[in-house]
Amino acid sequence: GENVEQHPSTLSVQEGDSAVIKCTYSDSASNYFPWYKQELGKRPQLIIDIRSNVGEKKDQRIAVTLNKTAKHFSLHITETQPEDSAVYFCAASREDQAGTALIFGKGTTLSVSS
Amino acid sequence: EADIYQTPRYLVIGTGKKITLECSQTMGHDKMYWYQQDPGMELHLIHYSYGVNSTEKGDLSSESTVSRIRTEHFPLTLESARPSHTSQYLCATAGDDSTDTQYFGPGTRLTVL
Repeated sequence: GENVEQHPSTLSVQEGDSAVIKCTYSDSASNYFPWYKQELGKRPQLIIDIRSNVGEKKDQRIAVTLNKTAKHFSLHITETQPEDSAVYFCAASREDQAGTALIFGKGTTLSVSS
Repeated sequence: EADIYQTPRYLVIGTGKKITLECSQTMGHDKMYWYQQDPGMELHLIHYSYGVNSTEKGDLSSESTVSRIRTEHFPLTLESARPSHTSQYLCATAGDDSTDTQYFGPGTRLTVL
């Protein structure tokens, strides 16, 4: 079945720096890759996603890149701000006979210091 | 406003008790999911459903059951709670469009003594 590896597990940056989180997946049939942000005590919120027919997607300070050949995808946050501090999860889709489920990485705790 | 509701939000219960965690949604989505998550840690898929009378087992399904009698409701039952079940339980939904985007409920924080 699908396995998703996420690195690093923790990341500390200074305000204004860039942050990069990387994920690899094992199932070449996966075609949907969302990223979620979870602030302390709150529910995960989708921040950006990408499908396998696209190599890169950008939304203001956040971008995601996908390399299907290498089976890895990355989250890029530029000009980080203290409010970016949270746990970030990547996920990859897993198809079964009935439909689609998501398999999540273990998460990256991002700390942005001012 | 469309949303996902989970009750109770917090529950403290003794070992051996049977409990049901409720999830209801007004998103109009057919797909629903249950995840177990220790604070800030990985989300483990427990069960999921693609519609009424459809249920599938996830990675941590052996100690719980689900039912999907109505589109809006997807309750999760632990037949005999144990301290190892202490965790947060998140319900999620996804629509029928091709995006497969999942939206999460606020969670139930369960403590088993």
